[in-house]
Formats: sequence, structure tokens, C-alpha cells
Amino acid sequence: GAVVSQHPSWVICKSGTSVKIECRSLDFQATTMFWYRQFPKQSLMLMATSNEGSKATYEQGVEKDKFLINHASLTLSTLTVTSAHPEDSSFYICSAGRRGAVLGDNEQFFGPGTRLTVL
Amino acid sequence: KQEVTQIPAALSVPEGENLVLNCSFTDSAIYNLQWFRQDPGKGLTSLLLIQSSQREQTSGRLNASLDKSSGRSTLYIAASQPGDSATYLCAAYSGNTPLVFGKGTRLSVIA
Repeated sequence: GAVVSQHPSWVICKSGTSVKIECRSLDFQATTMFWYRQFPKQSLMLMATSNEGSKATYEQGVEKDKFLINHASLTLSTLTVTSAHPEDSSFYICSAGRRGAVLGDNEQFFGPGTRLTVL
Repeated sequence: KQEVTQIPAALSVPEGENLVLNCSFTDSAIYNLQWFRQDPGKGLTSLLLIQSSQREQTSGRLNASLDKSSGRSTLYIAASQPGDSATYLCAAYSGNTPLVFGKGTRLSVIA
């Protein structure tokens, strides 16, 4: 099966600092990567979609200058939370999409998530 | 705009029971539908993926069905075990768009 890793698995930082989270597809090339955040007992909320070599597409209400996404290769995407504040504390999950055999089909594989706590 | 709904929001059953989780979606033009499991504080584990051309998929004690015309999918868990306790999410994929998730069903299997 396809494996997606995230690093770090958890991070604690001070308010005002920046935090970078990496998402890697380990055994396949991801056509698209997605970043989600999840608050306690809530479902996943899509933050942005990124395609390799192009700018990310952000969902409404997500600040692109605060959540910087870089998708430098087909196996790596990074999310940087800039000038983090306590309200940014959340569980961040990435997923990587792999094209299926059927045109237009796409299966997503999820990373294990990163728990961010901003003090 | 695709919307995915899961019922019930929470479910508690005694060990050994068979159970059904429901998922409905508003736009039937989907490529596939996935069922995931999420343990507290953890990421998502893909359980089953049903292509739009398929009616069901099975993996062990899990069976997922798909009825595109009615916009419904069900996840059947046979002989439930305490280890099955988790949140189960379904998500619809409509092609060139992100997955649209339901809010999940929190399952508790009591020993």
C-alpha cells in the first residue's frame, strides 16, 4: 500500500514563532497533496490543495500568508505556520493523492498527523 | 457542492453485535467513496475504497456498499470487538476536487 509520512508527529512552540510540517509520500509520486486541520471531536477541515510546481489553492477563510505551503517535488509538501498563536493549536493532517487506473480517479492516502501546540 | 452526512453521530454497542454505519452524499457524480477509521489523536487509516462502478467492497469483517443513485453508502461491521472502537469517516471523491468528508460516527464497542 501507499505510505505517507509526516514530520514531526508533535511540536510545541512559543507564540510568535514559525513551525514547519513536512509531508512525504514514501513509495509513490503524489499528483496532489492536501492539508487538513482537525479540532477536537470535529471532522477534518480542508485548508489547501497543492500541486507540484504550482501555487497552492486555499480554502475560503484560510490565510495564505499565515499557512505557507510549498510543494517542491512529487513526494514532498511542507506547511509552515507562521507567527503561530495559541488558536493555531490543532491537529494537522496531510494527504497525498495518487492517480488510479481510471481517468480522473484518485485515491488519497493520509499521513499520521502532526499535533501542534502553541503556548 | 457535495455534502456528506453520516448517521448516527455516535453509537455504542455490546461486543459481538453486527452494526451498520450510514453515509449519504448529495451529488451522485462521484468517482469513488472511501471509508476511514480514526483513533483518538491519530491520523486516518483507509479501510475500504469503493469505485463508482462497484457496489461493494469487503475486507475481513468489514463490508462497504455503495448505491450511487440514492447517494448512500453503508459500512457493515460484523461481530464487533472493543478494538473496533474509533471514529469512522466516509469521504466522497468527485474528480479534480478534494475529498469531502462527513463528520464521522464515533463507535464504542463495550466488552
